[in-house]
Amino acid sequence: NAGVTQTPKFQVLKTGQSMTLQCAQDMNHNSMYWYRQDPGMGLRLIYYSASEGTTDKGEVPNGYNVSRLNKREFSLRLESAAPSQTSVYFCASSLAFKDTQYFGPGTRLTVL
Amino acid sequence: DAKTTQPPSMDCAEGRAANLPCNHSTISGNEYVYWYRQIHSQGPQYIIHGLKNNETNEMASLIITEDRKSSTLILPHATLRDTAVYYCIVSPFEAHNQGGKLIFGQGTELSVKP
Repeated sequence: NAGVTQTPKFQVLKTGQSMTLQCAQDMNHNSMYWYRQDPGMGLRLIYYSASEGTTDKGEVPNGYNVSRLNKREFSLRLESAAPSQTSVYFCASSLAFKDTQYFGPGTRLTVL
Repeated sequence: DAKTTQPPSMDCAEGRAANLPCNHSTISGNEYVYWYRQIHSQGPQYIIHGLKNNETNEMASLIITEDRKSSTLILPHATLRDTAVYYCIVSPFEAHNQGGKLIFGQGTELSVKP
């Protein structure tokens, strides 16, 4: 039981490049989330998916898109990366929309 | 949401109890106290939460004062693997769990030493 897994662990992009961050969970959770964490700051919610087939914007959705591919997988796409998107990105999941969230190990993204 | 105040850092000897304090003097009646930790380079990990009563699970105990203005997280037998930043968060249950903000603040950096 791996929990929440994220790929890649590290990524360096140039401004304007695109990429997709992958997240998968094997806990049969219904809800999944994407956060970013900047140095010295708390987590900020980018997008979430309360259940398979639904996605909603969080606190800082601009510059990102998401896809809930199936119950297990929730991807985050940066269409045109900007230096302001340099951050650590965490994916999380919870059994139901109101349950405790479990986090993945994070993806460290640098945009030059 | 209520604001929390935690000491920036604490040390604890391995095998001893680690007592991490948190002040939340403006907590509202519907707000819970949550504790998370973040081990270096890893994602946040939920530890425990409570409303009024003291709580215990396999990881820790949470002691909330009667006036609910402060709380203490207790790790009964700290190990080196407990070295992490510990965050105290107060939030309404609905807001915390509705894909919602986890406002971590600065937390307490706990160093467990041999």
